[in-house]
Amino acid sequence: EVQVVESGGGLVHPGGSLRLSCTASGFTFNTYWMHWVRQAPGKGLVWVSHIDGDGSGTTYADSVKGRFTVSRDNVKNTLYLQMNSLRVEDTAVYFCASGGRAYSVGSWGQGTLVTVSS
Amino acid sequence: QTVVTQEPSFSVSPGGTVTLTCGLSSGSVSTTHYPSWYQQAPGQSPRTLIYNTNTRSSGVPDRFSGSILGNKAALTITGAQAEDESDYYCLLYMGSDILVFGRGTKLTVL
Repeated sequence: EVQVVESGGGLVHPGGSLRLSCTASGFTFNTYWMHWVRQAPGKGLVWVSHIDGDGSGTTYADSVKGRFTVSRDNVKNTLYLQMNSLRVEDTAVYFCASGGRAYSVGSWGQGTLVTVSS
Repeated sequence: QTVVTQEPSFSVSPGGTVTLTCGLSSGSVSTTHYPSWYQQAPGQSPRTLIYNTNTRSSGVPDRFSGSILGNKAALTITGAQAEDESDYYCLLYMGSDILVFGRGTKLTVL
């Protein structure tokens, strides 16, 4: 069974940093793109970032470019999102998801809540 | 910046048919955008319904279908059921490995 489980969310002050983790199981992790998607309270889904299976390629939404860094450890089957210079508007549930076929998103985690507040 | 458009809300009667659409603020949606569709029930994580315009994900009932209608991607639910009441999101590939979600459609079944 494909499973992705996020961790690392919490409360952080504006300007602070946080690192999210996502542990994957049930599939050949190093052959899949992985994505981060976020959802602010009461709002819609927003694609944040992707990383290629071998970690060689990454892309970001304009809203996080230069502040967030996605990485992966294919030995530990773990995806990361390093979030720096956090803003109040980064407050959201962050979902980790495996890449699906044809530029889709496959399997989703349950999400981890990041709250940026003073 | 191009915005992915969806109807904010839609209503369908049980057993009825509804088509949700996904467009672009500038230009047309085509198969080269690889449209995919996601269902999110209240308080739940999203679930992948359709990818590559019209391919159902594993386990998705065949009452869900995807297509291109005119200049938009479309998700059609034929024979809507109460459990289909959810938020629905489309996702488009914009090139250069960039993806963009639509703002979502809240579907009410009543």
